[in-house]
Amino acid sequence: DGGITQSPKYLFRKEGQNVTLSCEQNLNHDAMYWYRQDPGQGLRLIYYSQIVNDFQKGDIAEGYSVSREKKESFPLTVTSAQKNPTAFYLCASSITGGGGELFFGEGSRLTVL
Amino acid sequence: QKEVEQNSGPLSVPEGAIASLNCTYSDRGSQSFFWYRQYSGKSPELIMSIYSNGDKEDGRFTAQLNKASQYVSLLIRDSQPSDSATYLCAVNPSLNAGNNRKLIWGLGTSLAVNP
Repeated sequence: DGGITQSPKYLFRKEGQNVTLSCEQNLNHDAMYWYRQDPGQGLRLIYYSQIVNDFQKGDIAEGYSVSREKKESFPLTVTSAQKNPTAFYLCASSITGGGGELFFGEGSRLTVL
Repeated sequence: QKEVEQNSGPLSVPEGAIASLNCTYSDRGSQSFFWYRQYSGKSPELIMSIYSNGDKEDGRFTAQLNKASQYVSLLIRDSQPSDSATYLCAVNPSLNAGNNRKLIWGLGTSLAVNP
């Protein structure tokens, strides 16, 4: 079955540690996105990529980094520079970079202790 | 600052009733509009997209778009307890807004369908 796989689903880390969240899709979609969701704040775009080897900062990119070396993969690293990393992280993809019809993975819930 | 506004709810309806969810947006040039459903603790799932004025029906769901008044609605007929979720409205802004066509999201309306 086609879809988006995020791992891990739950992750606990100590403050100051970098964390990498995996996102893999087999939908043959060109565009991929990382969102963060916090209670009461809705979805906020961290990074997006419309094509391999290219990505753009979203609204809250500080403290995060990404790579897009393969069409299928768009990992997100939450660095120690991110001041409030505890959140629900969502990876999504779309056929093109138009951004409207997104398919989401199941999400990764990161808790920093 | 382009915005998408939704009533946070909770909107409570009895089973079998029509649930009406509304969304207004500020960018008059917006091109396309989407409704996503998000169950508690889960990721959003696209349920409707609409691009032109009028109604679009898909099963029990009807999306309504009125660009002149800058609102988009989602009607759920014969509401079921399984429809209880948060419904997110997302808008693709205008091509000439100087942005990269990133979606603008509302905060969502919580719907509770009571048996």
